[in-house]
Amino acid sequence: QTVVTQEPSLTVSPGGTVTLTCASSTGAVTSGYYPNWFQQKPGQAPRALIYTTSNKHSWTPARFSGSLLGGKAALTLSGVQPEDEGEYYCLLYYGGAWVFGGGTKLTVL
Amino acid sequence: QVQLVQSGDEVKKPGASVKVSCKSSGYTFTNYGISWVRQAPGQGLEWMGWINNYNYNTNYAQKFQGRVTVTTDTSTSTAYMELRSLASDDTAVYYCVRDIQYNMDVWGKGTTVTVSS
Repeated sequence: QTVVTQEPSLTVSPGGTVTLTCASSTGAVTSGYYPNWFQQKPGQAPRALIYTTSNKHSWTPARFSGSLLGGKAALTLSGVQPEDEGEYYCLLYYGGAWVFGGGTKLTVL
Repeated sequence: QVQLVQSGDEVKKPGASVKVSCKSSGYTFTNYGISWVRQAPGQGLEWMGWINNYNYNTNYAQKFQGRVTVTTDTSTSTAYMELRSLASDDTAVYYCVRDIQYNMDVWGKGTTVTVSS
């Protein structure tokens, strides 16, 4: 069974920079896993942020960026705002099936 | 604008089936697929399956194989997800998501399915 692992929680100060990562139990994450990233706030549906590793949607704030880092997919927030607090999920593609990571709870404090 | 409007919340008894609909508007339906994702209370997201609205190809998560069916009606731009043999741990919010070329972009607001005797 494939497992996608994210940091359970991270804390960042307003204006700071934080990187969330997404690892695969099958080995290094490459562009062929087409990483997607989503943000979810309590009581709301998830919102898409990044697709195919580093592409932003038209509504994605410029401070969000996606990359591959050390064999993992990564989401970096630069100049964190209070409204960035929430849960972040990565999603990886495994040849016909998608698997979500367990989520990272980001606290802005 | 692009919208995915899901059917209303459901309450089902164990062993029953549920069918959730997802009506799309604001884009060419057959150019995209629809994925279905669920979220149990206080838990993370779980991908269930996907349908190509052009050729009706489907893929399902191994966990749900044989218990879930995703269909589509292109005449009404509506996708459906049916889950059978419901148990209490199927209690969750079920989302439909627009899906193209490894890009899941627009989400429905979710349908809460409660399984309780």
